[in-house]
Amino acid sequence: DTAVSQTPKYLVTQMGNDKSIKCEQNLGHDTMYWYKQDSKKFLKIMFSYNNKELIINETVPNRFSPKSPDKAHLNLHINSLELGDSAVYFCASSQLAGQETQYFGPGTRLLVL
Amino acid sequence: DQQVKQNSPSLSVQEGRISILNCDYTNSMFDYFLWYKKYPAEGPTFLISISSIKDKNEDGRFTVFLNKSAKHLSLHIVPSQPGDSAVYFCAAGVSGNTPLVFGKGTRLSVIA
Repeated sequence: DTAVSQTPKYLVTQMGNDKSIKCEQNLGHDTMYWYKQDSKKFLKIMFSYNNKELIINETVPNRFSPKSPDKAHLNLHINSLELGDSAVYFCASSQLAGQETQYFGPGTRLLVL
Repeated sequence: DQQVKQNSPSLSVQEGRISILNCDYTNSMFDYFLWYKKYPAEGPTFLISISSIKDKNEDGRFTVFLNKSAKHLSLHIVPSQPGDSAVYFCAAGVSGNTPLVFGKGTRLSVIA
């Protein structure tokens, strides 16, 4: 059983397009995250939601908008895609925010042409 | 501004020997530390963690050592197995609603 799942796994698109990445966790966790792993391989937090409420919003362009319809889902919508958005995006979840082990999804590889 | 640094991008070790992966941090506020393991095309998976009140935590073949005065932690894997070949990420955080900070990772290759 997949604990944290993401769709799609691969996404190739043109500059200027709008795209969404979906994330679902079946662990019953209260907190979900989006991370970006760029070409330099750093994993950086983008957003964190706890019980559908935004609790962390790092310096991310307004073109990125997370949406949490319920605590098991955290989707990431990206408007007006740019070349620099090409990266691997990981969704993660944890029982609580803070000092808790996070469980990661398999990643979505986004390539903007 | 790299608060968590893994200065060795790669490491090769023979099967059966000890693997030592190192991690340095700069933020003295960090009070818990984690190691994640990542296989290609998969997400990172949690391996082991340590709180700043401890200097050692052991789980089977994996031991994490924390030296707070040096702001250094290390992951020891003994004995190393070919299935341990992966990228290992060090991460650090401050208790509360603050994000984890990850290092760039070290690719471990265990040679049979």
